[in-house]
Amino acid sequence: GESVGLHLPTLSVQEGDNSIINCAYSNSASDYFIWYKQESGKGPQFIIDIRSNMDKRQGQRVTVLLNKTVKHLSLQIAATQPGDSAVYFCAENSGDYKLSFGAGTTVTVRA
Amino acid sequence: DTGVSQDPRHKITKRGQNVTFRCDPISEHNRLYWYRQTLGQGPEFLTYFQNEAQLEKSRLLSDRFSAERPKGSFSTLEIQRTEQGDSAMYLCASSLRLASDNEQFFGPGTRLTVL
Repeated sequence: GESVGLHLPTLSVQEGDNSIINCAYSNSASDYFIWYKQESGKGPQFIIDIRSNMDKRQGQRVTVLLNKTVKHLSLQIAATQPGDSAVYFCAENSGDYKLSFGAGTTVTVRA
Repeated sequence: DTGVSQDPRHKITKRGQNVTFRCDPISEHNRLYWYRQTLGQGPEFLTYFQNEAQLEKSRLLSDRFSAERPKGSFSTLEIQRTEQGDSAMYLCASSLRLASDNEQFFGPGTRLTVL
């Protein structure tokens, strides 16, 4: 079936460096994508979203890029901090805003 | 704290017992979603409500699962005759469904362990 997935299950980043987390999706009809951050013992926390009529959106220290040609989504985190250590999920709207999540990338920030 | 609360945070039960979880969404939110998350995986959609109406149930939900949102505010998720495979984190999310936005705010989850 169609699903959202992430390229790498883990990412280790030096503090202060930029992080890039990738996600591939297969449903070409998806119109809305979201990145969530989940810390241990907590529910997912919204980071940033993007609609399919855009290819880039920026937030505070984060940028989401959408490439509809290759069905690829990425999250860039600038100047990664220890507090950014978490599991990151991409999700897509699977219809009426029911979200379909990928498996997640665990980001570890090295001091 | 997103403003969505769930109770209990942890539940340990024996196989065959019934359990009920509660979710209190952000007060003005008309949409409420239930997801299930197993270790190392992303959340999976279970069911959702708009106000008190249940709009859809996932095929993942067997007949042992039932959810309600009687007054369009809090919601309950009941699992009857629990099985070990029901062990997971059960997440609730709420949103204010608008034409331009549907950001979902998640609660901390209820972790269920079935022995």
